Amino acid sequence: DQQVKQNSPSLSVQEGRISILNCDYTNSMFDYFLWYKKYPAEGPTFLISISSIKDKNEDGRFTVFLNKSAKHLSLHIVPSQPGDSAVYFCAGKGKTSYDKVIFGPGTSLSVIP
Amino acid sequence: DGGITQSPKYLFRKEGQNVTLSCEQNLNHDAMYWYRQDPGQGLRLIYYSQIVNDFQKGDIAEGYSVSREKKESFPLTVTSAQKNPTAFYLCASSIKTKGSNQPQHFGDGTRLSIL
Repeated sequence: DQQVKQNSPSLSVQEGRISILNCDYTNSMFDYFLWYKKYPAEGPTFLISISSIKDKNEDGRFTVFLNKSAKHLSLHIVPSQPGDSAVYFCAGKGKTSYDKVIFGPGTSLSVIP
Repeated sequence: DGGITQSPKYLFRKEGQNVTLSCEQNLNHDAMYWYRQDPGQGLRLIYYSQIVNDFQKGDIAEGYSVSREKKESFPLTVTSAQKNPTAFYLCASSIKTKGSNQPQHFGDGTRLSIL
């Protein structure tokens, strides 16, 4: 049972345009969400997060939107740059005694110069 | 620089052999984790440890073992009981997570292959 879904395995965007990466989750106990970015042969690096009490969090070119009723979040990258080409993982975390982080399968973003 | 070091970067295992993947962190983090990544799949949790001398099974612990004798170190042994060990293994650490939201920091991974 996949608790975090990223239904687009890949996405291509022109440099300078907006990249929108989508994520859906099924676990209503999640109260914290994270996005990680991963380059080939490297470990993921933390990008941005959002608490369930918010619907938007912004950090520079990166904005995460959360729609709790739809159990959906999205990551917007504006403007997209070639260096943004990577795999992006969405993850959810609950608030029980041990908060396991559940990762989605990832979306591979290619930003075309 | 503080960080997480995984070694080796590439590892080959013969049939019936146990191999150990190293993970060391100097971030003074309490919690450490091992994940496995297979093509087209997210990261799946193998084992985690919130404190020295204590660890718990994750979602896919069968065929793996760990130890946590020091705060800085969390080695993972892939035993011969793990029938499909070929994967990319990632170690992570974080400030203790109970009641707090802190992102995990990852090492650069070890790619394990079967000879």
